[in-house]
Amino acid sequence: QSALTQPRSVSGSPGQSVTISCTGTSSDVGGYNYVSWYQQHPGKAPKLMIYDVSKRPSGVPDRFSGSKSGNTASLTISGLQAEDEADYYCCSYAGSYTFVFGGGTKLTVL
Amino acid sequence: EVQLVESGGGLVQPGGSLRLSCAASGFTFSSYWMSWVRQAPGKGLEWVANIKQDGSEKYYVDSVKGRFTISRDNAKNSLYLQMNSLRAEDTAVYYCARELRFDYWGQGTLVTVSS
Repeated sequence: QSALTQPRSVSGSPGQSVTISCTGTSSDVGGYNYVSWYQQHPGKAPKLMIYDVSKRPSGVPDRFSGSKSGNTASLTISGLQAEDEADYYCCSYAGSYTFVFGGGTKLTVL
Repeated sequence: EVQLVESGGGLVQPGGSLRLSCAASGFTFSSYWMSWVRQAPGKGLEWVANIKQDGSEKYYVDSVKGRFTISRDNAKNSLYLQMNSLRAEDTAVYYCARELRFDYWGQGTLVTVSS
């Protein structure tokens, strides 16, 4: 149950696109199409942004998209806005009803 | 509106016990898996445990197996986490979350394990 690997930080200017990677193994990310992404603003609870690799919950802007290739999942945010500045966490199903999160990525909007 | 409200956190000495509660409203509680996820101060998220709709299946992260017990009372729309033999490394904000995709979260309750 090792944590998934995410970059510590990424940044982009308003209007640009950024991609956050999430690397696991064949026992988690690579083995199942159950990767989700969460946005967390300081002092707030996490918010689900993407589930099942690429599905968006109702109310999440289509600027947020998810994908997966092999053992690496990615979250892409296009048309960056100031309110997108937050921490982002990936999470993968790891079998036997267990889950593993990534270490988190701090997104800075320049 | 889906609401999850955690309670029961506080300061406890190493080796002590604490019971967290999560009151659910705005949805049919008995129809959903429920989970606990924690976040140590300044750190990332860690899945802790989950429980099936009828309580018949429970799963835990290795670091809490044998010490923590997840349970639920569908008649009271409530989720619980009994935490025994607490360690300093259990210090965290504990969130309850709905479903296995964690689609709704509570505001969290802080557990501090310190002498």
